Amino acid sequence: AQSVSQHNHHVILSEAASLELGCNYSYGGTVNLFWYVQYPGQHLQLLLKYFSGDPLVKGIKGFEAEFIKSKFSFNLRKPSVQWSDTAEYFCAVSGGFKTIFGAGTRLFVKA
Amino acid sequence: DAGITQSPRYKITETGRQVTLMCHQTWSHSYMFWYRQDLGHGLRLIYYSAAADITDKGEVPDGYVVSRSKTENFPLTLESATRSQTSVYFCASSESRDRSTGELFFGEGSRLTVL
Repeated sequence: AQSVSQHNHHVILSEAASLELGCNYSYGGTVNLFWYVQYPGQHLQLLLKYFSGDPLVKGIKGFEAEFIKSKFSFNLRKPSVQWSDTAEYFCAVSGGFKTIFGAGTRLFVKA
Repeated sequence: DAGITQSPRYKITETGRQVTLMCHQTWSHSYMFWYRQDLGHGLRLIYYSAAADITDKGEVPDGYVVSRSKTENFPLTLESATRSQTSVYFCASSESRDRSTGELFFGEGSRLTVL
């Protein structure tokens, strides 16, 4: 069965700390991978995406993610978080037009 | 660039009533989707549509009905609302199969409370 697993449901960090959010997926065939972010009270927005090529992808606001095919993982990283990064982060996998989401990770950054 | 608009943004209803959530997109995207967002479950796909008059079930379709008579509109109807349908509903769209990478464009969401 197709699934996406996010390891952490809640993460609390202080400003300037480094962030890594884990994501593993189970999906047959070629996949496209995404991280979406949802700021408080807002809709989901695309943070970054991987389709092919360089497995290290860079997104907006200093975020990056690494696709490791052998581990079926697509972890999100940021070297130094800011208070404004407080949000919920969703890993998602698509095999075409249909997208499956993980349960989400709520990040709270202390000022 | 209006994108995707959902209405109503907030709705309170009672058990057993019919509720329709509207979704309108201006991009002429082929695919449209309805997700519900619940704590601990992330987003779960309710229904999707590949084009006008073509719809299909997602992960959690029970209790919901959709239609797509026009490419730009994709309403979601709860025929007889239940408390378990209290949730935030997101409409999304993406481009055609040939061009689609699966990237979704979301509306602002509709928060539904069923009493």
